[in-house]
Amino acid sequence: RKEVEQDPGPFNVPEGATVAFNCTYSNSASQSFFWYRQDCRKEPKLLMSVYSSGNEDGRFTAQLNRASQYISLLIRDSKLSDSATYLCVVRTDSWGKLQFGAGTQVVVTP
Amino acid sequence: DVKVTQSSRYLVKRTGEKVFLECVQDMDHENMFWYRQDPGLGLRLIYFSYDVKMKEKGDIPEGYSVSREKKERFSLILESASTNQTSMYLCASSFRTNSYEQYFGPGTRLTVT
Repeated sequence: RKEVEQDPGPFNVPEGATVAFNCTYSNSASQSFFWYRQDCRKEPKLLMSVYSSGNEDGRFTAQLNRASQYISLLIRDSKLSDSATYLCVVRTDSWGKLQFGAGTQVVVTP
Repeated sequence: DVKVTQSSRYLVKRTGEKVFLECVQDMDHENMFWYRQDPGLGLRLIYFSYDVKMKEKGDIPEGYSVSREKKERFSLILESASTNQTSMYLCASSFRTNSYEQYFGPGTRLTVT
């Protein structure tokens, strides 16, 4: 079983709409949580950290549910530039190793 | 701004050649990582280092070795390249405490023929 599982998508979203997707993680001792964004043929870049109480960064909202071991990302008012693969990431050790999900592809259409 | 650089964006090597991939970061990060990324498989950790001269195996270390002689530099070595090592190689760095966010270099697309 993979440590971090994501629906690969693609999620096809009309411009201006809202899209949400989850990932699940298997290690209940996971300590830090992140969403990364990866554009085609580019390196992953940190989108946002995910805090226990949930957090928002502009049009992006992240939630953490420790009891059910899932993390969610919601994108409001989708822009064409939001088209990318979103990677769910968790930290399970004290040294800083991260476990990456395989990513959820989002395609925003005009 | 954090900057992680990798020695090459594209590399073509022949089977059996020794390949060196170099990564340099300028943020005084303790941790450095080497990943490979393949379609459908996501990012897989090859090796990481949490200090100079320290290294730890990741999930797929076979066929690879690493070197970290200076804090800012982490090298990945393919002793004898094989076609199944054709992949995108990504280097990353992070602090060892507090934030743990990893910052990635632009990647090296390696083709072994």
